[in-house]
Amino acid sequence: EAQVTQNPRYLITVTGKKLTVTCSQNMNHEYMSWYRQDPGLGLRQIYYSMNVEVTDKGDVPEGYKVSRKEKRNFPLILESPSPNQTSLYFCASTGDGRYGYTFGSGTRLTVV
Amino acid sequence: EDQVTQSPEALRLQEGESSSLNCSYTVSGLRGLFWYRQDPGKGPEFLFTLYSAGEEKEKERLKATLTKKESFLHITAPKPEDSATYLCAVQATSGGSYIPTFGRGTSLIVHP
Repeated sequence: EAQVTQNPRYLITVTGKKLTVTCSQNMNHEYMSWYRQDPGLGLRQIYYSMNVEVTDKGDVPEGYKVSRKEKRNFPLILESPSPNQTSLYFCASTGDGRYGYTFGSGTRLTVV
Repeated sequence: EDQVTQSPEALRLQEGESSSLNCSYTVSGLRGLFWYRQDPGKGPEFLFTLYSAGEEKEKERLKATLTKKESFLHITAPKPEDSATYLCAVQATSGGSYIPTFGRGTSLIVHP
């Protein structure tokens, strides 16, 4: 089944403790993105990648890092999480940017 | 700056009561306009891509249309299972990346 897989689905962590949210797609897509979704603010792009080793900032990149060492994987790294990063995170991919993204199931992160 | 405004924010319908959701956009040049459906706690699911004014796409009870300034998602004789948040997104022709800008969505509830 063609899909984007994120892990974990739920995560509660403490301020300052580094964490990684993994994302993997099995569709050989070139484009991958990370979004956060907050009530009243909608979906906002954090980082995106157009191909292996090619990444760029989205609208809200502060406090996040990404890497794209392999085509299928696009992890999101929070080096020092803070409470304002509590949110619902989505990874998404597309093979051709003219078509819609396939989204993962989401990771609900709580930073206390 | 690209902008996407969806209205209404929330819509309640009786089963069988047809209606339309609106997506107004401001973009320097439109590469594509996308509609997604999002169920609570899940990732958005791609519905349609529209590329040029006058274009229409249909899927079951949903029909999307596009003009130069807005798109409509028409829902004909909705059923309770159509209840979800519907998201609109646009991609601009400027720049080399396929970064969509999302609206905040319309939350649709269909009562039996």
